[in-house]
Amino acid sequence: AAGVIQSPRHLIKEKRETATLKCYPIPRHDTVYWYQQGPGQDPQFLISFYEKMQSDKGSIPDRFSAQQFSDYHSELNMSSLELGDSALYFCASSLRAQETQYFGPGTRLLVL
Amino acid sequence: SQQGEEDPQALSIQEGENATMNCSYKTSINNLQWYRQNSGRGLVHLILIRSNEREKHSGRLRVTLDTSKKSSSLLITASRAADTASYFCATISGNTPLVFGKGTRLSVIA
Repeated sequence: AAGVIQSPRHLIKEKRETATLKCYPIPRHDTVYWYQQGPGQDPQFLISFYEKMQSDKGSIPDRFSAQQFSDYHSELNMSSLELGDSALYFCASSLRAQETQYFGPGTRLLVL
Repeated sequence: SQQGEEDPQALSIQEGENATMNCSYKTSINNLQWYRQNSGRGLVHLILIRSNEREKHSGRLRVTLDTSKKSSSLLITASRAADTASYFCATISGNTPLVFGKGTRLSVIA
C-alpha cells in the first residue's frame, strides 16, 4: 500500500538559509499535517491542511509557511533558519480529520 | 500545553515478558492513538481507540481506555527484542490535530 512520501530525507543548511520540505500524502487522503520533533522530544504539531485550505495552526514560527497544492502534495517552507530548527520534520495524512494519521519517514534537518 | 503524559518514561524488560505503558490526558477526547517510533525513524500507527470504546486488541497489543480517569494503557504481550522503541500516545479532541505525550522508551533485552 502507498505510504506518505517525504523529500528530502536529509537536509543540511547553514544559519539564515532557507529550506523547502515536500510531502506527498497517501492517495485520496484529504488532510495533511506537519509536525516537528526535536532531539529527545515528542512531536509538536505545526500546521494542517484540509482540501488544500489551512485548517489548523500550531506552534509554527512566523519564519515558516506551508501550502497544499492542487495535487494534494504539501510543502513546508522555512526561512532564516536557526540552529534550533534542527529537528525531524514529519508529514502525516488522514482520510478525514479525527481519523488515523499515517506518518511519513520524516526529513531530518540539520542547521549548522 | 501537554495533553498526554506517558508513564513510565523508560521501561526495560526481558524478552518474553509483558510490557505495560500508561498514558494520561487532560481534556475530553474523540479518540486516542498509540504510535511506535524506532530511534530517529518515522511514527508507526499501532491502534486507534475511540472515546466510546473501552478495550481494543491487535495481535500482541491490547489497549484500554478509561475516559472517567482520562487514561489509557498499552500492553505488549510476549515482548520481543524487535519491540524496542519509543511508544507515544496521542489524542484528538474535536477537529484539533494529534497532541502527543512525551513517550515511553521501551527496551526489550534478549
